[in-house]
Amino acid sequence: GDSVTQMEGPVTLSEEAFLTINCTYTATGYPSLFWYVQYPGEGLQLLLKATKADDKGSNKGFEATYRKETTSFHLEKGSVQVSDSAVYFCALILASGSRLTFGEGTQLTVNP
Amino acid sequence: SQTIHQWPATLVQPVGSPLSLECTVEGTSNPNLYWYRQAAGRGLQLLFYSIGIDQISSEVPQNLSASRPQDRQFILSSKKLLLSDSGFYLCASTDQETQYFGPGTRLLVL
Repeated sequence: GDSVTQMEGPVTLSEEAFLTINCTYTATGYPSLFWYVQYPGEGLQLLLKATKADDKGSNKGFEATYRKETTSFHLEKGSVQVSDSAVYFCALILASGSRLTFGEGTQLTVNP
Repeated sequence: SQTIHQWPATLVQPVGSPLSLECTVEGTSNPNLYWYRQAAGRGLQLLFYSIGIDQISSEVPQNLSASRPQDRQFILSSKKLLLSDSGFYLCASTDQETQYFGPGTRLLVL
């Protein structure tokens, strides 16, 4: 079946550090890929998405590139801020599907 | 863009009591709707999804049920809550292939 694997957390960084959160997937078709962010006590917000191979999604300084050859969608940010502290979820959906498949989430803490 | 409302925001209920959580969606029509549960410090568990009125699929066996009385209304219910029902409940709606989430309801069963 379809699955998403994220790097295990928690991840702790200092402000202005470079961030990478790894995400790889297994899918039977050609999925669209998403990153969601969940701030403490809130619902999930869509951070960025990519719908086909080599697409790059970007938002708020975060980027992720859809790599079909490595089945990956790693999240990166060049300089994190304390306000980026949250849980990040990688997810996929097949073109013919109606359900998202989520990774387990990665807790990010950024210290000043 | 669509907006998802959930209420209540927080709920404390005794074991064995009934439950009703409501989700309504604005800004779209005929969406797919979803209920997720998130236990503390864990990922998302899909509980129910609906592709239309009275068309609901259950993902896991449990003492919860869902109903969709109107196109943009999705209700999560239980006749008797268990301690293990505690968690953060999220409603979601799709816009084409992208899911959008409500603010969530935090349920504590004592």
